[in-house]
Amino acid sequence: GQQLNQSPQSMFIQEGEDVSMNCTSSSIFNTWLWYKQDPGEGPVLLIALYKAGELTSNGRLTAQFGITRKDSFLNISASIPSDVGIYFCAGRLSRTGANSKLTFGKGITLSVRP
Amino acid sequence: KAGVTQTPRYLIKTRGQQVTLSCSPISGHRSVSWYQQTPGQGLQFLFEYFSETQRNKGNFPGRFSGRQFSNSRSEMNVSTLELGDSALYLCASSLGDHMNTEAFFGQGTRLTVV
Repeated sequence: GQQLNQSPQSMFIQEGEDVSMNCTSSSIFNTWLWYKQDPGEGPVLLIALYKAGELTSNGRLTAQFGITRKDSFLNISASIPSDVGIYFCAGRLSRTGANSKLTFGKGITLSVRP
Repeated sequence: KAGVTQTPRYLIKTRGQQVTLSCSPISGHRSVSWYQQTPGQGLQFLFEYFSETQRNKGNFPGRFSGRQFSNSRSEMNVSTLELGDSALYLCASSLGDHMNTEAFFGQGTRLTVV
C-alpha cells in the first residue's frame, strides 16, 4: 500500500534556528497536509496544499507541494520552545470516494533547546 | 464552536473483552474517520463514515467495527481485545464534501489492554 516516509525520526535544534522537514512517497498524492501533535492531544492541521508546486505559509511555517506530487516540505523559521511536538505529513489521492482516506507518515519529533 | 469530542479519554480493558469508543464530530460535519496511533506504526486509518454509511475501510481485522448515527456521532467497537490493540484511538471529523475542507481531530481515547 501507499507509504509516506519521514526522516529522521527525531530532530534537535536550537531556539531561533530554522528547520526543514520533508516527506516522500512512492506514489502520487493530490493533497498534502502537515499536522502537529502535542503530548496528550490529537493532531492539529498546520498547512494544507492542493496543487503541485504550491507554496503556502502559515505564520513562521511554510510548506510546499512537490512538482512530482510525490513529496512535500515543511519549513519552520525562527523556532521557539512551543514548536516542540511531533510533525506529521499526510497525503490524499482524491477528495471523495475510496481514495479519500489520509495516509500519514510516522512523524518527526522536534525538540527545541532554549 | 465545540471541537471533536471523544469519550472516554482513558480506558483499561483485559484481553478478550470488547470495547466501544465514542466520537461526537463538530456540528455540521458529516464525515467521521477513525485512526489507530501506536509508537511503532504511527497513524493507521481504520474506517470512515459519511451519512451513516461506511465510505472507506483500512486494513484492520473484522474485530474492529464502527457505525455512525443520524446525528453524525460515531462509535467504534473492538471485540476480543488483544494486547496489541493498546493504542491511542483518534477520530477526525470533516464536512466530507467536495470542497477543500480538512479534518479536525479529537484528543483521542487511550486504550490499554492488559
